[in-house]
Amino acid sequence: GQQVMQIPQYQHVQEGEDFTTYCNSSTTLSNIQWYKQRPGGHPVFLIQLVKSGEVKKQKRLTFQFGEAKKNSSLHITATQTTDVGTYFCAGRRFGNEKLTFGTGTRLTIIP
Amino acid sequence: DGGITQSPKYLFRKEGQNVTLSCEQNLNHDAMYWYRQDPGQGLRLIYYSQIVNDFQKGDIAEGYSVSREKKESFPLTVTSAQKNPTAFYLCASTQGNRNQPQHFGDGTRLSIL
Repeated sequence: GQQVMQIPQYQHVQEGEDFTTYCNSSTTLSNIQWYKQRPGGHPVFLIQLVKSGEVKKQKRLTFQFGEAKKNSSLHITATQTTDVGTYFCAGRRFGNEKLTFGTGTRLTIIP
Repeated sequence: DGGITQSPKYLFRKEGQNVTLSCEQNLNHDAMYWYRQDPGQGLRLIYYSQIVNDFQKGDIAEGYSVSREKKESFPLTVTSAQKNPTAFYLCASTQGNRNQPQHFGDGTRLSIL
């Protein structure tokens, strides 16, 4: 079955440092979504990428979709304490209704 | 406010007992989903439903059952056949278009006594 792996599993950074999480799928994806889950909360949708090589930005967050549509990344510039949480990618195969979630990267910020 | 309501927030089950987790949405979404989240892990799909009176198994359906008698409701029953039910359960919904984002409820944390 489809597998979606994320690395790293955990990341501790000093406030102000950058952060990147990588997502890799075993199969080609039709689209990929990113979610953020705050501690004790539920996942909240951040963005969706559809096109090969697509890059989207949301303030300090930059999302990329690989040329082969099998990998993606989320980069946060100059982290802030509000960025704390677990970031999940979720990929969908062509013709498939299901989203497969990645294993997540848990970000903690050292003030 | 439109959203997804899960209840209860915390649930305790005795071994051998079935329990039902409630999920209600007033977003008029067609599709609804149940996920299980274990500590340090991602979300795994249990069941999903794209339309009333129809549902499909996800990746870990064994020991669970669902119903979709109304568009706004998608209850999940954790049966005694589920040997390791302690987890955080999340319900989600989305518009019919598969490219739409999923909206999640606040979750139910199930523990075994």
